[in-house]
This record gives sequence, structure tokens and C-alpha cells, in this order.
Amino acid sequence: EAGVAQSPRYKIIEKRQSVAFWCNPISGHATLYWYQQILGQGPKLLIQFQNNGVVDDSQLPKDRFSAERLKGVDSTLKIQPAKLEDSAVYLCASSLFQGLSYEQYFGPGTRLTVT
Amino acid sequence: LAKTTQPISMDSYEGQEVNITCSHNNIATNDYITWYQQFPSQGPRFIIQGYKTKVTNEVASLFIPADRKSSTLSLPRVSLSDTAVYYCLVGDNDKIIFGKGTRLHILP
Repeated sequence: EAGVAQSPRYKIIEKRQSVAFWCNPISGHATLYWYQQILGQGPKLLIQFQNNGVVDDSQLPKDRFSAERLKGVDSTLKIQPAKLEDSAVYLCASSLFQGLSYEQYFGPGTRLTVT
Repeated sequence: LAKTTQPISMDSYEGQEVNITCSHNNIATNDYITWYQQFPSQGPRFIIQGYKTKVTNEVASLFIPADRKSSTLSLPRVSLSDTAVYYCLVGDNDKIIFGKGTRLHILP
């Protein structure tokens, strides 16, 4: 079974530029998550999708971050414009069950460096 | 959501059993306890999940006392490859919050 795919794996941009990350979840997984992980900290949930719909985006900085999940499968996370403090690893995860499910499958992440 | 407290770091030796204890004093009735493992440059990986008493799988065991205010992840006979960060989480309604985790360092 293929895991969660993410691209690119690494990205270096200058502040005020834009960047987009792509995630392809495990086939059949209804729930998709985007996390931000700053060095030395645990992952922080940015947004959670259930199929096409947003379940939780309370910690997403909506003035600069946006995310969409087209057709309930792939998802993109965009940052525009980027700030220095956005330097982090952006993790995508998916899970099978709707509702009570704590077994999330994570992708390898995209390491973003903002200079 | 319930918060968790776990040691920042631990050292152990190859072949030893390692127990990492997590405190979750405010755990709610519906919360499950879940543990994840994260290697450098990888996303976290689900290890084990439980609600009460003991759960065992091919990787670890999870011990949960009756009051559920704490839990212990037990890794039998660790090897160098078990060096990683281990996160204890409690969750409800498909939402989990990661803390800083425990950095486990296995020595030869």
C-alpha cells in the first residue's frame, strides 16, 4: 500500500514570496491533515479536511495560509506571502475512519526555509 | 482537550526495556491515549493506542491504570534504531495535539 506522498521535499524561498505544497493521501482515506512542525517542537495542526470539507482550521493563519482539497483526494497548502517564521517542516497526514480515529499516516514532509 | 506531560529526554542501552510515562491528569471520559514515534527527517508514525488496562502489539505495550491519569509506553529490548522522539497524546473526536515529546537516545 502506497503511503502519503508529499512534494516538494525541500523548498527555499525569500520572504514575501509564495509557495505551495502538494499532498496525495492514502487511497480511500477520508480525512486529511496539514501540520506545521517547527524545529524542536511537536507538529501543530493547521487544518483538517473531511472529504472536501474543512473540519478544523482554527490554527491556520488565514491572512497568509490557504488550503484546499479538490474532489476529496489531493490537497494543496499555500503560503502567500511567506515570513521568516514560516520556516518549518509541513507535514500532511491522512486517516481512514471518519470520527474517532487517532491512527494517522504521515508523509515525509516538506522542509521550507524562508530567507 | 487534555494536555499531557512527559519527560523531555531519556537515555537507555541496547537490549534494555524502556518505559516512558506520560501524565494526563485531565483526561476526559471519551479520550483515547495514543503514542507516536518520530525519526529525524520523517513524519510521526503511529505506535499504539489504548483506552484502559493493557494493550500490546508487535512494537510496544501500553499500560493504563484504572484512573487513566497516566500511561506508560513500554519498548522491549530496544536497539539503536529505536532512538527517536516519542509523543504521548490524548484525543477526542478525531483531534489530537502533539506536545514536545520525549527524546529517547539508545546507547550501545
